[in-house]
Amino acid sequence: DGGITQSPKYLFRKEGQNVTLSCEQNLNHDAMYWYRQDPGQGLRLIYYSQIVNDFQKGDIAEGYSVSREKKESFPLTVTSAQKNPTAFYLCASSMGLSSYEQYFGPGTRLTVT
Amino acid sequence: GENVEQHPSTLSVQEGDSAVIKCTYSDSASNYFPWYKQELGKGPQLIIDIRSNVGEKKDQRIAVTLNKTAKHFSLHITETQPEDSAVYFCAANGGYQKVTFGIGTKLQVIP
Repeated sequence: DGGITQSPKYLFRKEGQNVTLSCEQNLNHDAMYWYRQDPGQGLRLIYYSQIVNDFQKGDIAEGYSVSREKKESFPLTVTSAQKNPTAFYLCASSMGLSSYEQYFGPGTRLTVT
Repeated sequence: GENVEQHPSTLSVQEGDSAVIKCTYSDSASNYFPWYKQELGKGPQLIIDIRSNVGEKKDQRIAVTLNKTAKHFSLHITETQPEDSAVYFCAANGGYQKVTFGIGTKLQVIP
């Protein structure tokens, strides 16, 4: 059963702590993406990666970091520098160059207090 | 970069009626326009998409139209059902690998 998995579904952290969100895909897709979703603001791109060991900043990369050491994995770290980290985080993947269809995971809701 | 505007932000229709959601985009290089449906607490799901070489595409009760001259595209859902209730997002690629999303439309189908 192919797809994208994100874990955990709910995550709670104290302010000042870094936290890493997991994203794994078994679709053999080259490209992966991280989005942040807030009420009334749609989906905003944090980082994306078109190939292993390469990634690009999206529109709201400040306070976040990523790595792409394996094709199937694209973890996102929310650092203590992110001023307002509480949000719903979505991971997506696509086949890669010239293919824009993105497939989304179920999301992780992060709450920082 | 690309800018996508979507309206209305909320839409209520009676079961069986049609629903229309409209989007405009800014980058004339955009050539891919997907629509996503997001149910509560879940990730968005691609429901239909259209490329710039066609003006309309249908899939059962769902259709999308594209007007490249005016830079707008629309989602049409006919014979709406309660299970159509969700948030719908439009997007445009702006000629790049990434896509830019609209803010979403919350559709409520009233039985």
